[in-house]
Amino acid sequence: NAGVTQTPKFQVLKTGQSMTLQCAQDMNHNSMYWYRQDPGMGLRLIYYSASEGTTDKGEVPNGYNVSRLNKREFSLRLESAAPSQTSVYFCASSVQTSGARWETQYFGPGTRLLVL
Amino acid sequence: GESVGLHLPTLSVQEGDNSIINCAYSNSASDYFIWYKQESGKGPQFIIDIRSNMDKRQGQRVTVLLNKTVKHLSLQIAATQPGDSAVYFCAERKGYSTLTFGKGTMLLVSP
Repeated sequence: NAGVTQTPKFQVLKTGQSMTLQCAQDMNHNSMYWYRQDPGMGLRLIYYSASEGTTDKGEVPNGYNVSRLNKREFSLRLESAAPSQTSVYFCASSVQTSGARWETQYFGPGTRLLVL
Repeated sequence: GESVGLHLPTLSVQEGDNSIINCAYSNSASDYFIWYKQESGKGPQFIIDIRSNMDKRQGQRVTVLLNKTVKHLSLQIAATQPGDSAVYFCAERKGYSTLTFGKGTMLLVSP
């Protein structure tokens, strides 16, 4: 199993450009998440999808949209990139079966985004 | 402990020493805690977890201690190796809510 994969690994954008970050997991997990990680700060949740067909806002959703394409794939879109969105973006997944409160999340390798 | 600002707290140890990394969590109602390891340029990697009905849990070379009275979590690494050098951070969750992550501590292991 590859676990959680993310593409691209690196990206440079100009202010105002758009792009989509891709994430896929092959662990048959129900829940998927997008985080951003900035220097000196912990991981902050952007959006998550508790199950296929549902998405919810996290702590910092402004400027982002998501799509849960199917059970395996969860994409993050920046419609009009801003320098403040320069960050490392991580996708994660968890099993999240009914009644399961004790499940951890498994992370992908990250996408490093620079917005000029 | 947790960081303020841009610089992570750093713990420097010699190879073979035992390391203790601390985390002060924020929510007294949190009932599930996880430690992650993040190597440079990589995603966070699960190390060990603990539920609030426990005060200690052991894994391979790692032990997590939970003190709910003072909202404190620690990760002990036995016989620390150079490969343990990384940023370690804790995460907490209350019930079915999403995880809240700490800012991390950098562990540097010298040969």
